[in-house]
Amino acid sequence: DQQVKQNSPSLSVQEGRISILNCDYTNSMFDYFLWYKKYPAEGPTFLISISSIKDKNEDGRFTVFLNKSAKHLSLHIVPSQPGDSAVYFCAAANAGGTSYGKLTFGQGTILTVHP
Amino acid sequence: EPEVTQTPSHQVTQMGQEVILRCVPISNHLYFYWYRQILGQKVEFLVSFYNNEISEKSEIFDDQFSVERPDGSNFTLKIRSTKLEDSAMYFCASYAYMNTEAFFGQGTRLTVV
Repeated sequence: DQQVKQNSPSLSVQEGRISILNCDYTNSMFDYFLWYKKYPAEGPTFLISISSIKDKNEDGRFTVFLNKSAKHLSLHIVPSQPGDSAVYFCAAANAGGTSYGKLTFGQGTILTVHP
Repeated sequence: EPEVTQTPSHQVTQMGQEVILRCVPISNHLYFYWYRQILGQKVEFLVSFYNNEISEKSEIFDDQFSVERPDGSNFTLKIRSTKLEDSAMYFCASYAYMNTEAFFGQGTRLTVV
């Protein structure tokens, strides 16, 4: 099942710079997309989401961009901080029917922010 | 802040034994899910539960798996006869009605030996 893909297993960034995490999907029926952050030995923590009818959503240092024609989304973190170092998961979901809320995850990208 | 809690944090069991993983979702949430993550792999959907019944289940969720919400607060995942390949982190998640943000518990690490 490769409906959601994160092709970069890892990303290393200097503190204060921008981190850009990418995600591609194949299922055009997804209604919304989410980014989760995960530390070792913890569950995923919700960061930000975007509806399929929008192309941008911003929350503080985090911005998610959606390009529906390319079936691509990205998460921008500006400025990056060492505390942002974690695994970032892209996920996609449907808003209706029996699949309501079921998340399909990408493989994750390990972000390391160096001081 | 309300949170989803899971117990135990780590469970070691012998192959063939039954295990029950427990979750207490956030109290006003209506949709409940189990996911698992085998080491080095993706987080995978197992099952969703709404209105006291299963809404959807994945191919992984075979006859060895069952879920229950016995008392209106706990949400449990039972594996009847564990296999080595069931070793994974198991995450419980819940949603409020018409919300798009799933809240996850901290996970239970299941090790089958």
